[in-house]
Amino acid sequence: AQKITQTQPGMFVQEKEAVTLDCTYDTSDPSYGLFWYKQPSSGEMIFLIYQGSYDQQNATEGRYSLNFQKARKSANLVISASQLGDSAMYFCAMRELNQAGTALIFGKGTTLSVSS
Amino acid sequence: DGGITQSPKYLFRKEGQNVTLSCEQNLNHDAMYWYRQDPGQGLRLIYYSQIVNDFQKGDIAEGYSVSREKKESFPLTVTSAQKNPTAFYLCASSAPGTGQLRGQYFGPGTRLTVL
Repeated sequence: AQKITQTQPGMFVQEKEAVTLDCTYDTSDPSYGLFWYKQPSSGEMIFLIYQGSYDQQNATEGRYSLNFQKARKSANLVISASQLGDSAMYFCAMRELNQAGTALIFGKGTTLSVSS
Repeated sequence: DGGITQSPKYLFRKEGQNVTLSCEQNLNHDAMYWYRQDPGQGLRLIYYSQIVNDFQKGDIAEGYSVSREKKESFPLTVTSAQKNPTAFYLCASSAPGTGQLRGQYFGPGTRLTVL
């Protein structure tokens, strides 16, 4: 079973609009962390935002916020006031903190296209 | 500036050849990782190393080998046994600790093409 599911292969939004990128996850580990990364066409992976499983409040970083619904196992990324430079692929990832391995588990990504 | 460097940026290989991708970090991170990314896909873990002289297979280790002789370096060799090596390869590292610190820092990647 997939641990990280991103159901939107592509999303389209106009400049200055808000957009939500969906992410659901599956784990039985009570301690985990959720991450969002941005990958522009250059290929680099840029860390955007982090949410810990015990964090009481939703994480925010500038125009990025994470809508964390623990009971539903969802961690959607909200980008407010989209900019042309936001066009990229976005990946949701999880680390299960009680597992022996420490690597991140990635979803398949969502391509975001922002138009003027 | 601290960071992760990968070289080369583009690599072309003939079928049957082994090639080694370099990954170096000066972040003093203990853990290092290699991921493979195919077009339009997410990242899949090849190998990871939590300390020097120790490494573990990831989900798709067949046809790859690694070494971790120094904390700063984690080279990946793509052997001729890897049937479909054309892909984008990303190296990452992470520090010990909790929370956001356990996130990973990525290098710029190496795009490998088999001719």
